[in-house]
Amino acid sequence: ETGVTQTPRHLVMGMTNKKSLKCEQHLGHNAMYWYKQSAKKPLELMFVYNFKEQTENNSVPSRFSPECPNSSHLFLHLHTLQPEDSALYLCASSQDRGQGASGYTFGSGTRLTVV
Amino acid sequence: GQSLEQPSEVTAVEGAIVQINCTYQTSGFYGLSWYQQHDGGAPTFLSYNALDGLEETGRFSSFLSRSDSYGYLLLQELQMKDSASYFCAVRGQRDSSYTLIFGSGTRLLVRP
Repeated sequence: ETGVTQTPRHLVMGMTNKKSLKCEQHLGHNAMYWYKQSAKKPLELMFVYNFKEQTENNSVPSRFSPECPNSSHLFLHLHTLQPEDSALYLCASSQDRGQGASGYTFGSGTRLTVV
Repeated sequence: GQSLEQPSEVTAVEGAIVQINCTYQTSGFYGLSWYQQHDGGAPTFLSYNALDGLEETGRFSSFLSRSDSYGYLLLQELQMKDSASYFCAVRGQRDSSYTLIFGSGTRLLVRP
């Protein structure tokens, strides 16, 4: 356990389904992030929340919709996804700028398969 | 824009020393970080260099040369459990957001 918990660990969904990914941290961090990890590609930043406010949307398609109800919880709502959206979705949190002695704390991710 | 380059794969034997290089291009520099990720696991923070030189943490060391836009991760006394992917990362361009940009990762395979 890293202190950042993601559920579910695995998800298979059809292109017409609606599902949500959940991320929870109780580390007292004030920033939370969604990253997408595809095979042999860099981690791609999707969304950033700082003190519950979205500070960055990295040109992500609207079929991905984030929600941050409080500084401990982060959701990623999914609808009408495409097969190329199949990937590992990682949540992370950090205190302040996430550099220095502590860095980011990542969850173990949700392995998403779109069929 | 910003980009990081690191080798895609490195193979070494147990007990040896391996160095994973990272070169970066960034419009502003706020430090270089390293993360480790085992298959199926979460990336975990290893080290951070803001200033030039070598930072040592047990068997792992990280080096930075800002003038060369270059850094490396040094793993000594390799163990089988060190087989994993290693990512270098720099902070994003926009100062208002707390984001990290990652390299593609180096897959390290440690052989007996």
